[in-house]
Amino acid sequence: GAVVSQHPSRVICKSGTSVKIECRSLDFQATTMFWYRQFPKKSLMLMATSNEGSKATYEQGVEKDKFLINHASLTLSTLTVTSAHPEDSSFYICSASDRDYEQYFGPGTRLTVT
Amino acid sequence: GQNIDQPTEMTATEGAIVQINCTYQTSGFNGLFWYQQHAGEAPTFLSYNVLDGLEEKGRFSSFLSRSKGYSYLLLKELQMKDSASYLCAVMDSNYQLIWGAGTKLIIKP
Repeated sequence: GAVVSQHPSRVICKSGTSVKIECRSLDFQATTMFWYRQFPKKSLMLMATSNEGSKATYEQGVEKDKFLINHASLTLSTLTVTSAHPEDSSFYICSASDRDYEQYFGPGTRLTVT
Repeated sequence: GQNIDQPTEMTATEGAIVQINCTYQTSGFNGLFWYQQHAGEAPTFLSYNVLDGLEEKGRFSSFLSRSKGYSYLLLKELQMKDSASYLCAVMDSNYQLIWGAGTKLIIKP
């Protein structure tokens, strides 16, 4: 089956610094990638949708200058949390969609901002 | 390796009961999640089981047996709006989510 990886799996950073999370589709070309934020025992909150080569579409309430998304190739999207604060601590999950519109989810990245 | 198995597709009748099974083999266990996803929408959290037994929440119930590596999601009094994909995901010892491929549930009148 289709595999999506995320790197790093876990990251701890200091308040005010930036951290980049990578999402890769390992065995298929992802025309669309999605970034979600997971709160404990809550539904996944869609942050943004990105199509390869174009600007990401952000959901209402998500700061595009704080959560920078780049989808430079059909197998890689990155989420950069800029000037991170403790309230940004969360579990970030990406998913990738191929031309058949099936979504394949990554294992998640746990971000802790101290 | 780590593996989550669930049926690809199931069909049920409106008003009936359906059980969606999920078996898993993971390195460690920190809980099992069930999500519902309608086409074009973000997954919606349904349940989280970390202890053995049945958790009931309205029309939906989720069961876990850690010794058997097995869970099921039980949907009662099916409604047409329950037509969706149901995703099973296990959090392993590294707190990483291992996802099943999802079960597409089709409800017929």
